[in-house]
Parts: sequence; C-alpha cells; structure tokens
Amino acid sequence: SAVISQKPSRDICQRGTSLTIQCQVDSQVTMMFWYRQQPGQSLTLIATANQGSEATYESGFVIDKFPISRPNLTFSTLTVSNMSPEDSSIYLCSAWDVIIPNYGYTFGSGTRLTVV
Amino acid sequence: DAKTTQPTSMDCAEGRAANLPCNHSTISGNEYVYWYRQIHSQGPQYIIHGLKNNETNEMASLIITEDRKSSTLILPHATLRDTAVYYCIVRGGGANSKLTFGKGITLSVRP
Repeated sequence: SAVISQKPSRDICQRGTSLTIQCQVDSQVTMMFWYRQQPGQSLTLIATANQGSEATYESGFVIDKFPISRPNLTFSTLTVSNMSPEDSSIYLCSAWDVIIPNYGYTFGSGTRLTVV
Repeated sequence: DAKTTQPTSMDCAEGRAANLPCNHSTISGNEYVYWYRQIHSQGPQYIIHGLKNNETNEMASLIITEDRKSSTLILPHATLRDTAVYYCIVRGGGANSKLTFGKGITLSVRP
C-alpha cells in the first residue's frame, strides 16, 4: 500500500500567520484528501485534491482560508492561512487509488498545529 | 453516502473478543462497509471492509447482516494495543467516493 509522509509533524504558530503542510506519497495516487481533526473530535473532510484541477472543497471550507496545491500524482500541500486559535487542530492527508489493494485509503500521521 | 450509528464507547477485558456494532439502515446496494481505527495521535488505520459477505483478515472479522442494515466488527482476542477509536464508514464504490467519518466508538481494553 502507499505510504504517506507529512511535514511538519507539529508546529506552534502565531495568529495571523500561515502554515503550509506537505504531503508526499511514495507512489502515484489518483486522489488525495485533506482532513481536519479538532481536539477530541472526529475527522472532517476539508477538500479533495486532484492533479491538474482545482481542489473540491466541502461545505464550510473555502479556498482563501485553505489553499491546496496538487502539482503531481505524489504530492500535495495544504496551507492554513491567517491563522487563529480556532485553527488549532490535527491536519491529516489521505490518498486513494486502486493500487492500494483492499484498503483503498491510506493516511498520514498528521500535523498537529497549535496557534497562539 | 449512508450515515452510520455507533455506541459512544465500550470496554472489554484483555484476551476476550471485542464486538463492535454499527447500524447503517440507509445503506444502498453498491455501498461498502469500511472499518478504520485511530490510535491516539496517529492517522486512521484500515481494518477491514465488506459488501455483503462476512469477511475475515489477520486483524478482525466483519459480520454483515443479511439485510445489510447493520454490521459487527469482531476483534477475536483484544489486547491493550487495540484501545482506540473505531470508525464504521459506509462508502460507495469508485474513485470519487469520499470517506466520511462519524464520531466512532471508543474501545477501551482493560488488563
């Protein structure tokens, strides 16, 4: 199955700044996804990132706040812009492809973001 | 995708079987039942999935009722390392189908 590396694993940021999170997959995958997990909560899908097209955002998430890039089939970035303490969460990258046998989806171990 | 309902939490003794129930009464014919778990501070981990037949792998067994409106994940010999949040997810087939997580069930395995 595909293995995902996410960077950074954690960060503490000042409010009003932006952080870009990188997601690298060790094989080409069709779909990549970004999730947010607020403290004590389940995972919420932010957007689906497709190579060669704009990301598709879920209700409640906008491109200006969470710009996403997908320059090729193995890499994606999520930027959390103009951060506030409410953005403190774990951000997780996920990938889907038929090459991931049985599993379908694989996940990175997440980026733990604290905004102060 | 169909919605799932799980109890909030349950516990079991180490070495015993853990049976985690899930209701998905609005599941449609082409939707699969997936189970993932999330151990503290890690990304979700795939456990098993099925369409209508019971499935077993090295981690667990999945029992799906004949009407497919509910299922049970069975961890045959729970260990302390199985303490985690377990998510039951219904997902349609195809590349454009997303994984939508509910609240999951917190399983606590006690010594």
